[in-house]
Amino acid sequence: SYELTQPPSVSVSPGQTARITCSGDALPKKYAYWYQQKSGQAPVLVIYEDSKRPSGIPERFSGSSSGTMATLTISGAQVEDEADYYCYSTDSSGRRVFGTGTKVTVL
Amino acid sequence: QVQLQESGPGLVKPSQTLSLTCTVSGGSISSGGYYWSWIRQHPGKGLEWIGYIYYSGSTYYNPSLKSRVTISVDTSKNQFSLKLSSVTAADTAVYYCARDHAVPSLGEFYFDYWGQGTLVTVSS
Repeated sequence: SYELTQPPSVSVSPGQTARITCSGDALPKKYAYWYQQKSGQAPVLVIYEDSKRPSGIPERFSGSSSGTMATLTISGAQVEDEADYYCYSTDSSGRRVFGTGTKVTVL
Repeated sequence: QVQLQESGPGLVKPSQTLSLTCTVSGGSISSGGYYWSWIRQHPGKGLEWIGYIYYSGSTYYNPSLKSRVTISVDTSKNQFSLKLSSVTAADTAVYYCARDHAVPSLGEFYFDYWGQGTLVTVSS
């Protein structure tokens, strides 16, 4: 079955850059999407189609993808960016797949 | 603005069937280009996609849950529903409904609107 692998945790100081990776065999052929989930809340889309930002998402969030790895970058991380982040994609059969999730701590 | 709201029992006994409904407002469930999905999250764990339904009634389920899952749609009420049979404690989770946005030119899908989620506990 298709899997998307992320590091369990990333720590960053306020104002610094956080990078979260997502590894998956189908990523060279499929776009990556990124969701932010704050404690007790539903996930929110922060990046779609590898690098596009939905309306209302701060410019400090950016995405990129190369080969089997996609990356979410938070440039100048803020305390309010502390959350769990999930990458997401679909496999060749249309099954929706979430990454393993990364807890981002800003302190 | 599309809004989704889950409803249903918060407590289900083992071996019984979990039933949840998602009510969609601010948009028609019958409009093309969107699928309607259920997703769950075990306490302190990651997100697991359960399956989707199209307004026409066509469905696709996660193979890991396929034998126990039924998703249905009621376009007249702008609702879709989840049934999960033979539940155990391992099915205790927050259940989300979400709009599944299709990008036909890319063959891609992503969730653009989510409900707030509802906790379902399986316990006797």
